[in-house]
Amino acid sequence: QKEVEQDPGPLSVPEGAIVSLNCTYSNSAFQYFMWYRQYSRKGPELLMYTYSSGNKEDGRFTAQVDKSSKYISLFIRDSQPSDSATYLCAMSDGSSNTGKLIFGQGTTLQVKP
Amino acid sequence: GAVVSQHPSRVICKSGTSVKIECRSLDFQATTMFWYRQFPKQSLMLMATSNEGSKATYEQGVEKDKFLINHASLTLSTLTVTSAHPEDSSFYICSASPLRNQETQYFGPGTRLLVL
Repeated sequence: QKEVEQDPGPLSVPEGAIVSLNCTYSNSAFQYFMWYRQYSRKGPELLMYTYSSGNKEDGRFTAQVDKSSKYISLFIRDSQPSDSATYLCAMSDGSSNTGKLIFGQGTTLQVKP
Repeated sequence: GAVVSQHPSRVICKSGTSVKIECRSLDFQATTMFWYRQFPKQSLMLMATSNEGSKATYEQGVEKDKFLINHASLTLSTLTVTSAHPEDSSFYICSASPLRNQETQYFGPGTRLLVL
């Protein structure tokens, strides 16, 4: 079993839809959670960074962390064709001092106009 | 803020030659830099972790003599692919962790290497 599981999709939605992207994980020591967006042939871009449980909102994006269920989500409201990309969740426990992140496989999202 | 650059963005080389890729944090100092490799439609594969002034830590299965990493300063790390072969063709991406927030990473735009 992988430490972080993420459905690779692809996920196709119409423009304006609410998108829900999710990851589950097995390591209860994870405390830092991130979502990255990666366009084709580009490096990943940090979208959201969350420490421990709770919600964080930034514009059309909301990140949720439920540590009791080992489940994190990224919601995109009013999705746009420009949101079409691969979304990677990443997490770390912060205790190893290596700074290494554990990534999900990435979910490919397509927003159709 | 938190911009990371990579150079070159694309490189084509002949088999047997060496290729150097630079990774720079432009507006912050990085305690640690990471080098990843990514194959089409796959997630990132961590190759090595480098800290300024010390030897890089390589992941299992990554040849340290093949992929030379030099972390000369808090803003610059280089990856040299030595004696490149066609199977080394890939997308190489670096990332950097800021001193102020060592739990996250900011990524460069990537370097596409094609070995003929």
